Amino acid sequence: GAGVSQSPSNKVTEKGKDVELRCDPISGHTALYWYRQSLGQGLEFLIYFQGNSAPDKSGLPSDRFSAERTGGSVSTLTIQRTQQEDSAVYLCASSFTSGQGVGETQYFGPGTRLLVL
Amino acid sequence: AQKVTQAQTEISVVEKEDVTLDCVYETRDTTYYLFWYKQPPSGELVFLIRRNSFDEQNEISGRYSWNFQKSTSSFNFTITASQVVDSAVYFCALTGSSNTGKLIFGQGTTLQVKP
Repeated sequence: GAGVSQSPSNKVTEKGKDVELRCDPISGHTALYWYRQSLGQGLEFLIYFQGNSAPDKSGLPSDRFSAERTGGSVSTLTIQRTQQEDSAVYLCASSFTSGQGVGETQYFGPGTRLLVL
Repeated sequence: AQKVTQAQTEISVVEKEDVTLDCVYETRDTTYYLFWYKQPPSGELVFLIRRNSFDEQNEISGRYSWNFQKSTSSFNFTITASQVVDSAVYFCALTGSSNTGKLIFGQGTTLQVKP
């Protein structure tokens, strides 16, 4: 079956512009996660969606970052007024979660490589 | 707070050597899960194994084996008879009941297997 897909694969933008990154989770997966991988910070959690519950936004680094998940499936991560320090690989993952949602395996997409000039 | 430490930043071995990647974790949760992921040069994170805190049995899958020891808070990963295709960055990760959903990653170990 299809895995997690992300688009675009690469994005180059100018400082101050807004960008939107898209994630299509594995069909049937109820949980969706965004992470960021940068040279200095390693892999960092950004945001987590589980079903119809309010998302856990505790990892978003600033109010320039936001994400939504429409219809319990596709998610869009938006970065407004991009800065050079936003340059990183943005990874999306999904999992099939039941109960409290602890510990299910997360399957990752190929990532979007963002470069802010 | 939860933390994962992979003290080995880079390891270089010659093909057919055995290699062990170390992972030490910190958590106050009684229920937690440990993972290993592989990130080849293509960049995608590939799931290797998941372990819960109540199962300390070691696991073997082909050339891969994992040693989970709660007494030392370690979850080490051994590759036997390494191959060039094993060259990648390997991440150890942790999640638990106090941080539902979030994976806390170690800094990763870059493994280079030379022919």
